[in-house]
Amino acid sequence: EAGVTQSPTHLIKTRGQQATLRCSPISGHTSVYWYQQALGLGLQFLLWYDEGEERNRGNFPPRFSGRQFPNYSSELNVNALELEDSALYLCASSRLPGQGKETQYFGPGTRLLVL
Amino acid sequence: GENVEQHPSTLSVQEGDSAVIKCTYSDSASNYFPWYKQELGKGPQLIIDIRSNVGEKKDQRIAVTLNKTAKHFSLHITETQPEDSAVYFCAASLIYFGSGTKLNVKP
Repeated sequence: EAGVTQSPTHLIKTRGQQATLRCSPISGHTSVYWYQQALGLGLQFLLWYDEGEERNRGNFPPRFSGRQFPNYSSELNVNALELEDSALYLCASSRLPGQGKETQYFGPGTRLLVL
Repeated sequence: GENVEQHPSTLSVQEGDSAVIKCTYSDSASNYFPWYKQELGKGPQLIIDIRSNVGEKKDQRIAVTLNKTAKHFSLHITETQPEDSAVYFCAASLIYFGSGTKLNVKP
């Protein structure tokens, strides 16, 4: 069974540009989560999507947005990039939480560097 | 929202010794507590989890304990090996993570 995949692995942008990160969940998983992991720090929850809808959002400005497609893959968009957006962006997938099967499986991440 | 605190931030042990990492949480409604291991350059990997209706769970050299009254849970690794060296994260309610513990197991 294929794991969570993310693309690209690395992304270099300049301040003010937009970045688009992509995630494909494990087959059968409907929930996708996005996290930001700045260097040497913990995971900060960004967004949670399930069945195409945004279910929860972390404490991030509106320039962080995303969507989930009918095939459950997801996109994270970061507009008006700032230097402090440089981080590893992790995607995770799970079955719908609340049914005792909410184990999250993480992808390898996309490392975003803003210059 | 939930607040998860994790200690220590770094832990160095000798191979064969035990390692203990502790986390506290604030929301008494939290009912799912996973632990993840993150190796350099990789995403976090679930190593063990516990639900609020259980006080302890063990999987070979790894065990997790949960004290709902005190709102804290701990990861115990026995007979540590160099390959246990990594960053460990606790979490509560799926999306709230501790700040991580860098474990170094010295051969």
